[in-house]
Amino acid sequence: GENVEQHPSTLSVQEGDSAVIKCTYSDSASNYFPWYKQELGKGPQLIIDIRSNVGEKKDQRIAVTLNKTAKHFSLHITETQPEDSAVYFCAATSGNNNDMRFGAGTRLTVKP
Amino acid sequence: GAGVSQSPRYKVAKRGQDVALRCDPISGHVSLFWYQQALGQGPEFLTYFQNEAQLDKSGLPSDRFFAERPEGSVSTLKIQRTQQEDSAVYLCASSPAGRVAQYFGPGTRLTVL
Repeated sequence: GENVEQHPSTLSVQEGDSAVIKCTYSDSASNYFPWYKQELGKGPQLIIDIRSNVGEKKDQRIAVTLNKTAKHFSLHITETQPEDSAVYFCAATSGNNNDMRFGAGTRLTVKP
Repeated sequence: GAGVSQSPRYKVAKRGQDVALRCDPISGHVSLFWYQQALGQGPEFLTYFQNEAQLDKSGLPSDRFFAERPEGSVSTLKIQRTQQEDSAVYLCASSPAGRVAQYFGPGTRLTVL
């Protein structure tokens, strides 16, 4: 089955700096890669996703890149703000409804 | 529009008690998922419904765990004879037909004493 590794487990940046979180996956059949933001006491919120037929996707200050050959994908947050502080999870799935696997999460702290 | 809702938000149970956790998916969403999230970890798949049919329950950790979605909308996750290791956040997610993206509810934090 799919195995998703995520790093770093914690990340602290100054407000305005960029943050990068990286994930690797094992199953070459995976073709959909979402990123979730989870704030304390809340459920995971889908913030951006990418399919395997594109290499990069951007939405305002966040972007995701995918390298299918190397089986890794990354989340990039630019101009970080304190409200970006949360736990971020990557995930991978082949599109079957029962095989989405999550990374262990990255706790991002943005210091004002 | 309204997102996925779950109730109760918090549940404290004594070891051995039965609990029932409710999920109201986004209206019209065909697929419904239950996940278990241990402290400091990512969500782990428990079970999946398409409409009222439970198509996969391979992630349920034991036969004490049971899920149902009798009318293809609201779902209930039941845990019988709770154990301390059942303490976790239980997340529900839903997806519309033909889409892979899953939308999560706020979760139910279960604490078993």
